[in-house]
Amino acid sequence: DAGITQSPRHKVTETGTPVTLRCHQTENHRYMYWYRQDPGHGLRLIHYSYGVKDTDKGEVSDGYSVSRSKTEDFLLTLESATSSQTSVYFCAISESASGGGQFFGPGTRLTVL
Amino acid sequence: GNSVTQMEGPVTLSEEAFLTINCTYTATGYPSLFWYVQYPGEGLQLLLKATKADDKGSNKGFEATYRKETTSFHLEKGSVQVSDSAVYFCALNVLTGGGNKLTFGTGTQLKVEL
Repeated sequence: DAGITQSPRHKVTETGTPVTLRCHQTENHRYMYWYRQDPGHGLRLIHYSYGVKDTDKGEVSDGYSVSRSKTEDFLLTLESATSSQTSVYFCAISESASGGGQFFGPGTRLTVL
Repeated sequence: GNSVTQMEGPVTLSEEAFLTINCTYTATGYPSLFWYVQYPGEGLQLLLKATKADDKGSNKGFEATYRKETTSFHLEKGSVQVSDSAVYFCALNVLTGGGNKLTFGTGTQLKVEL
């Protein structure tokens, strides 16, 4: 299994509070991604990174920001959490931009009350 | 834009039955196609892939053939087991300068009963 960890694995927070989720990899892969998974929507890309300090938006980026200061860490921040951001968040990595697929972390279940 | 359409679930089968999960796509350019599997409480695992037309991806008894003429990538298995119960996601990517971004279908839940 690819070495990807996510922390925390579960979090309950209140509306309006900031939340940061961490993704850590030990594979030295260049590309990292954040997705959210919701019933009826599959997985949707929030943000991705193609190198240290190089990030870009995905299809559902509103209300989220990211940072990547080291190859191995990719942080997802909800500046002011809302109930619509209750979801399961997955981090993924890939070695290249070719068709080799992505490898996923175990997920973080976030509940915003 | 790119999109993936999967058959609605849940699909319920008896053990040793034949499985087909339909997947069709629309894409600009020449996508690579993937099937991922998600077991309860876990992340997604890459099950198989195909990178060009007429390629067949296979793994653990599962197969899928990249059909450009019908824009399809249907997942099949000849004899399912209870342990195959999971959610299956079809996905595609079209290479961009920003990396290997995937577009997913909504997933199909498979339940296999004894």
